[in-house]
Amino acid sequence: ILNVEQSPQSLHVQEGDSTNFTCSFPSSNFYALHWYRWETAKSPEALFVMTLNGDEKKKGRISATLNTKEGYSYLYIKGSQPEDSATYLCALPGRGKSTFGDGTTLTVKP
Amino acid sequence: DAGVTQSPTHLIKTRGQQVTLRCSPKSGHDTVSWYQQALGQGPQFIFQYYEEEERQRGNFPDRFSGHQFPNYSSELNVNALLLGDSALYLCASSPQGSNQPQHFGDGTRLSIL
Repeated sequence: ILNVEQSPQSLHVQEGDSTNFTCSFPSSNFYALHWYRWETAKSPEALFVMTLNGDEKKKGRISATLNTKEGYSYLYIKGSQPEDSATYLCALPGRGKSTFGDGTTLTVKP
Repeated sequence: DAGVTQSPTHLIKTRGQQVTLRCSPKSGHDTVSWYQQALGQGPQFIFQYYEEEERQRGNFPDRFSGHQFPNYSSELNVNALLLGDSALYLCASSPQGSNQPQHFGDGTRLSIL
């Protein structure tokens, strides 16, 4: 059973704060890692596809890094805004299905 | 270009009943996966359909079954409903064999009384 862990479970920050959270996974047999953003009452949407050790991806104020040797990925949000409030999921794809972590729920207070 | 659509949005059933949830994949996608998301947890893989056959299955009992139609749409059936089946059921589609991120529907919220 593939174990994908995310921490923290929830996070409350003030508007303008920068924040980061972690996705941990078994480092053996790594293929790729996906980050999703899941806003309330919407469907999960893909943010990043991470494949190579040392990958760094960026989309606006959000960025992610990957360390496949030690089995973790960080998601960073710089200058959080209320619209960043969502649950952030990481998932490891394999053979067409994905194994998800339980997510980090971010709440950004104005 | 329609994305993944699911119906119904919400459903209330009682214990012992049966339910059918429906999903239409994103245009161009031929593989459909179903996930169960309980409160406070990430989505848990139920099964995947391709070419009208179940290709992979997660750790769910036989009460959970599915079907895929020639137009790639899919149904999830749950028999003998239990209180613990209350959850959000997500459908995701992708091209066969792709390990790119899946495209998700908005989900069906199933409540068991």
